[in-house]
Amino acid sequence: KAGVTQTPRYLIKTRGQQVTLSCSPISGHRSVSWYQQTPGQGLQFLFEYFSETQRNKGNFPGRFSGRQFSNSRSEMNVSTLELGDSALYLCASSLRGDADTQYFGPGTRLTVL
Amino acid sequence: DAKTTQPPSMDCAEGRAANLPCNHSTISGNEYVYWYRQIHSQGPQYIIHGLKNNETNEMASLIITEDRKSSTLILPHATLRDTAVYYCIVRAPAGNNRKLIWGLGTSLAVNP
Repeated sequence: KAGVTQTPRYLIKTRGQQVTLSCSPISGHRSVSWYQQTPGQGLQFLFEYFSETQRNKGNFPGRFSGRQFSNSRSEMNVSTLELGDSALYLCASSLRGDADTQYFGPGTRLTVL
Repeated sequence: DAKTTQPPSMDCAEGRAANLPCNHSTISGNEYVYWYRQIHSQGPQYIIHGLKNNETNEMASLIITEDRKSSTLILPHATLRDTAVYYCIVRAPAGNNRKLIWGLGTSLAVNP
């Protein structure tokens, strides 16, 4: 079974631009969660989607948004990029999104100049 | 989800057992304890999880105290490839307002 895939793997943007990151979960998984990881920080929870509905949201500004499609693929968007948005963005999928195991993708490394 | 506390770093000699502690004193009765590891900014890799009983798989063993306020991940014969940051998290069943909190983890260095 293929694992979680994320595209692109690396991205360089400038301040003020917007960016869209994509995540394809493991086949059959319906829950997708997104995390931001910066140096010295643990994984910071962004949001969780299940069956195209946002079920939980972390403490991030409204510039961070996401969505999930009917095939469970998910995208996250960051508008008006700031230097502090430079981070590794990780996507994780699980079957149901409850206490079941999350499987992570390799991440997208975003650099904002 | 409950918060966890882990030592920031640990060392272990290659071939010896690595015992990584985790404190989760505010864990609720329906929350699972999960362990992941992350090698050099790759995506975290699932290791093991448990609710009440001790668990073992091909990678590690998980020992949960009877009061469930702490746990220990045991890598029985650590190798150099086990050098990574190890995260202990607690995870509740689905529900709104679940924040999925991750701490800073323990950076394990396995030395030759």
